[in-house]
Amino acid sequence: EVQLVESGGGLVQPGRSLRLSCAASGFTFDDYAMHWVRQAPGKGLEWVSGISWNSGSIGYADSVKGRFTISRDNAKNSLYLQMNSLRAEDTALYYCAKTPDTAMVSWGQGTLVTVSS
Amino acid sequence: SYVLTQPPSVSVAPGKTARITCGGNNIGSKSVHWYQQKPGQAPVLVIYYDSDRPSGIPERFSGSNSGNTATLTISRVEAGDEADYYCQVWDSSSDHPVFGTGTKVTVL
Repeated sequence: EVQLVESGGGLVQPGRSLRLSCAASGFTFDDYAMHWVRQAPGKGLEWVSGISWNSGSIGYADSVKGRFTISRDNAKNSLYLQMNSLRAEDTALYYCAKTPDTAMVSWGQGTLVTVSS
Repeated sequence: SYVLTQPPSVSVAPGKTARITCGGNNIGSKSVHWYQQKPGQAPVLVIYYDSDRPSGIPERFSGSNSGNTATLTISRVEAGDEADYYCQVWDSSSDHPVFGTGTKVTVL
């Protein structure tokens, strides 16, 4: 069974940093590209960042470019999102998702990030 | 960047058919995926590549895509279909995925 388990969320002050993790199991992790997608409270889905299977291709939404860094460790079956210079508008539930191509076929349950003083 | 527009809400009686549209410039030239998100849960892929269903998704869910509109159709709607639905495409110009604005389906 495919499992994606996010962790690392919490309450953080504006301007501070946080690192999210996504632990994957039940599939061959390095066969898939991975993404982070967030959802602000009561809002829709917003793509944040994606990384190819071998980290050779990485992309970011304009809203996080220069502040967030995505990475993966295939040996540990893990995906990461380093979030720096956090803003109130980054408050959201952050999901990791796997994709064999352009569809996100499996999602984790999300980890909540709250940016507030 | 590429914009996908969905109606905010759709209401449908049980047993009837719900149609959720996703509008985008020449969306018919792209592959569209659809996700269902029930309250407090993560999104679930229900349609990929315009009209394919993942295993475990009922045949009542179908999709089509042509011109400037993609459509998710839910036949014989059940109370359990009440959820938010999002369309998604890959925007080749920016090389990243784009989600629609989302549609809340209410079963009357």
